[in-house]
Amino acid sequence: DTAVSQTPKYLVTQMGNDKSIKCEQNLGHDTMYWYKQDSKKFLKIMFSYNNKELIINETVPNRFSPKSPDKAHLNLHINSLELGDSAVYFCASSPTWGDGTEAFFGQGTRLTVV
Amino acid sequence: KNQVEQSPQSLIILEGKNCTLQCNYTVSPFSNLRWYKQDTGRGPVSLTIMTFSENTKSNGRYTATLDADTKQSSLHITASQLSDSASYICVVSFSGGYNKLIFGAGTRLAVHP
Repeated sequence: DTAVSQTPKYLVTQMGNDKSIKCEQNLGHDTMYWYKQDSKKFLKIMFSYNNKELIINETVPNRFSPKSPDKAHLNLHINSLELGDSAVYFCASSPTWGDGTEAFFGQGTRLTVV
Repeated sequence: KNQVEQSPQSLIILEGKNCTLQCNYTVSPFSNLRWYKQDTGRGPVSLTIMTFSENTKSNGRYTATLDADTKQSSLHITASQLSDSASYICVVSFSGGYNKLIFGAGTRLAVHP
């Protein structure tokens, strides 16, 4: 019954590695997002996709590459991981991309780079 | 600079008591303001969403207020329960499409028996 699901929940990896986080939503929503929650607990948007098309890219390093094979999935691939990439990454979805639409969040993926 | 500031940073109350959390924002142009509850180790869950024209909105024991003139909002929790222990995050959305959200750092609430 999980609406927005992310895998894995925890990810520990060494600097320089490449890793992916997967996200799936079964709500039939058109829009999906990736957010990063830093150590100060602020969530900041990274990417937004609407019907598989990129609509927001918030000056994220190009080591981060989202991929949306269909509108129910938005995966995040990270190349050459750095210590500063350690954070909790949240996937979210909303019915549309317009103002005021409700966003539903996954449970988060805690990434630790050592 | 578009920012959302919340106070207090953390709060401890006894079960059954009421509390009020504050949010000030400078986001412009403004579309709507939301309050989310985030349990430890979980994603945020929406409590309320208010547009420019709405002054108050309730969801059970949670009541949010909005003063768009002073750019302030509050979240009042009535008759707190142990399960209310969580972070409460104020989120403001830009007007103009794309559902772009600006998050506050949250207020961490601990309800003690």
